[in-house]
Amino acid sequence: AQSVTQLGSHVSVSEGALVLLRCNYSSSVPPYLFWYVQYPNQGLQLLLKYTSAATLVKGINGFEAEFKKSETSFHLTKPSAHMSDAAEYFCAVSSAGGSYIPTFGRGTSLIVHP
Amino acid sequence: DAGITQSPRHKVTETGTPVTLRCHQTENHRYMYWYRQDPGHGLRLIHYSYGVKDTDKGEVSDGYSVSRSKTEDFLLTLESATSSQTSVYFCAITSSGGAGNEQFFGPGTRLTVL
Repeated sequence: AQSVTQLGSHVSVSEGALVLLRCNYSSSVPPYLFWYVQYPNQGLQLLLKYTSAATLVKGINGFEAEFKKSETSFHLTKPSAHMSDAAEYFCAVSSAGGSYIPTFGRGTSLIVHP
Repeated sequence: DAGITQSPRHKVTETGTPVTLRCHQTENHRYMYWYRQDPGHGLRLIHYSYGVKDTDKGEVSDGYSVSRSKTEDFLLTLESATSSQTSVYFCAITSSGGAGNEQFFGPGTRLTVL
């Protein structure tokens, strides 16, 4: 079985501040991990993914995430928030040998204040 | 952008009526998925397809059926709509069933059941 927990349904930051969105996963086999972003009234699009190569993964729009096996975490960060980063962010996990269909977290809404 | 369209984009219907949502892709991808998105629940898998006429249930399949007679089209049917099926429905595709493959999402259909 696999599952994802996203801590905090809403995260509020000021423009220019660090963005940190938390994701913890559970998987009985080595996982593949994804972060997706959803802008208002749109579908999800991939930000970045971890597929067992480098543990630090860089994505689009300046986001990155670090896979930490010991902590079963895959937190998403961005050094400096921009107003255009305001969106819903979803973490997802899938696993070869387990379910190849990703399981999604409940999402975190990022609010960016001017 | 992946060529995925959903129709209709918005629909209001009454309890007890049948509803069919369509997902159309131009990518010739084998795998197609239907999700529903509800506040506080993230994305939940309804049904998926791994080829023409090959479909399987997801975690919230009760009250829904699907059909796939062509590679490019995946239909989701609510046989008798209920208010609990008010939601935003997303279609997604992947090129193969590998666990590390990203999903590409359609723009969504907002369904309201009165």
